[in-house]
Parts: sequence; C-alpha cells; structure tokens
Amino acid sequence: DIQMTQSPSSLSASVGDRVTITCRASQGISNYLAWYQQKPGKVPKLLIYAASTLQSGVPSRFSGSGSGTDFTLTISSLQPEDVATYYCQKYNSALITFGQGTRLEIK
Amino acid sequence: QVQLVQSGAEVKKPGASVKVSCKASGYTFTSYDINWVRQATGQGLEWMGWMNPNSGNTGYAQKFQGRVTMTRNTSISTAYMELSSLRSEDTAVYYCARRYSYGDPVDYWGQGTLVTVSS
Repeated sequence: DIQMTQSPSSLSASVGDRVTITCRASQGISNYLAWYQQKPGKVPKLLIYAASTLQSGVPSRFSGSGSGTDFTLTISSLQPEDVATYYCQKYNSALITFGQGTRLEIK
Repeated sequence: QVQLVQSGAEVKKPGASVKVSCKASGYTFTSYDINWVRQATGQGLEWMGWMNPNSGNTGYAQKFQGRVTMTRNTSISTAYMELSSLRSEDTAVYYCARRYSYGDPVDYWGQGTLVTVSS
C-alpha cells in the first residue's frame, strides 16, 4: 500500500506569514492528490484536488503544487481563520490513504 | 444542495456490532461511491472502505476486512456501514463521504456519527 507522509506534524506561524506543508507519497501517484482542512469539531473540507486545482469557494491564498511523490500546500498569507489541521489524501485507486495531518496554529 | 445526513450517536459494549446510516440527497445516489472514514478523538483520518450504490460492489481497507460490511438501500438513497466485534479502540467519529469514481477525491462529507465502545 502507498503511504502518505506529511511534514511537519505541527507548526506555529504569525498572521500574514507564508506557510508551506509538504506531503510525500511512498510511490508515484501522478497528480491524484487532494488537500483537506479540518477545523476543530468540524467536518473535513476539500481545499485542493488534482494537486493544484482550487475547489470552488476556497480563498486564493491557498495553493497546491507537485506531482509524482512530492506535493506542497501553501498559504500565501496566513489568516486567523486558517487555524486547523490539514490532511493530504491520495486517490489514484479505489484505495484512499490520508497523511497523518499537520496542525497549524497562530503564534 | 448535496447533503449526507448520518444517524445519531451510539454507545455499544465490547463485542457488539454497530450500524451507521448515511442518507443522501441533492444528487443521484447511484452515481457516486460512498466511502467511510473514521477519526478517533485527537487522531487523524482513517479510511475504512467504499461501496458503489449502483452495483453494491465494495472494497475494504485490509485492517477492517472481516469486521466491516457496507450496504445500501437505493429506494431511500441510504448507505450503511456495520462494524462488528467492537472494541474500545473503535471509539471514534465515523463519517460517510461521497466520491465520483477512481481518480476523483472525496468531495462531500456527512456530519459524522460518534460511536462509543465502553463496558
């Protein structure tokens, strides 16, 4: 099975900072990579799919890149409402795998 | 609008089974697979398996093989996930979520159902 590894597991940044989260697949998955945001006590929300396509309604400060095994989620200017845990997900087959999550906090 | 509405919280004893329902509306139920994902308190998302509501075909994560059964009732646009031989480690929020097909991400999620396993 393909494993998904995110880093860091947690990070703290200031409002306005540029934030980057990485996700690595143990085997190539082309661009079948999605990013989800889960705020405390809430349901996960799809942010980005196909590695770099922004889901409708998601603020443009979020962006994604990568292909094959290495992917990044970038928040260009961190806002207080971005406090959440972020998960990557591979979906290149019937079997779905999530990364372990990255908890993002405000300094 | 697309909605997946799940059944309410459950409390079960170790060794028992639980069956969670997920009622779909706002789209054609048989056109999207239903996936089940669980999340223990303070932990990450764990995929359990999928079901195609049109064919009834299923696929389960190896970890849950033999303990999980995913079914549906197309007449009422409802999917079900039954987990048997419950143990304390199965205490978690269980989510249903729809996915169009292979090569598509999960896009809409149910609100979650808390299953507590306790003696």
